[in-house]
Amino acid sequence: AQSVTQLDSQVPVFEEAPVELRCNYSSSVSVYLFWYVQYPNQGLQLLLKYLSGSTLVKGINGFEAEFNKSQTSFHLRKPSVHISDTAEYFCAVSDPYGGSQGNLIFGKGTKLSVKP
Amino acid sequence: DAGVTQSPTHLIKTRGQQVTLRCSPKSGHDTVSWYQQALGQGPQFIFQYYEEEERQRGNFPDRFSGHQFPNYSSELNVNALLLGDSALYLCASSRWGYEQYFGPGTRLTVT
Repeated sequence: AQSVTQLDSQVPVFEEAPVELRCNYSSSVSVYLFWYVQYPNQGLQLLLKYLSGSTLVKGINGFEAEFNKSQTSFHLRKPSVHISDTAEYFCAVSDPYGGSQGNLIFGKGTKLSVKP
Repeated sequence: DAGVTQSPTHLIKTRGQQVTLRCSPKSGHDTVSWYQQALGQGPQFIFQYYEEEERQRGNFPDRFSGHQFPNYSSELNVNALLLGDSALYLCASSRWGYEQYFGPGTRLTVT
């Protein structure tokens, strides 16, 4: 079965510094990959997704991620973070099923804390 | 355009009781998925509905059941509640084959 590992449970960083949130998944077969953000007491918002094609994916709010098939990784990066980026970030994978992107398998999340 | 809406926002139930949670998908979406997010954990997939049928199911007992209506809205029912069912329940909608959009969730507390 698929699994997702987010290597850091918490990442503190100063404002305007770069950040990388790490994500590894278990299977080398074809998968879809996602990053979601969750602000306190809210649902999940899609940041970006990889379905196929270019391995560098750009998302909202200046985030990007790189798909590395050989290392089964999908790390999230931002060159300069803001206080408003403080939130919990979830990496997720799905097995394409009959064309569906359902059955998202999530990691345990990384709490990003941006300090002034 | 309203996004995914869920009701109620919060509720408190007693062990052994039954609960029904509701979800209205984003306009134009025909697929609804439900997830359970325990405190400090990532969401876990419960099941997915499309064309009023359960299409996929995660590793959850039969106490968890659902329904999708002709207008694509959905309900999640949990019977014989356990303390361990306390969690944030998230609904996500999509067009079949496309990315999922999540609602704000329903916080269920079982005492």
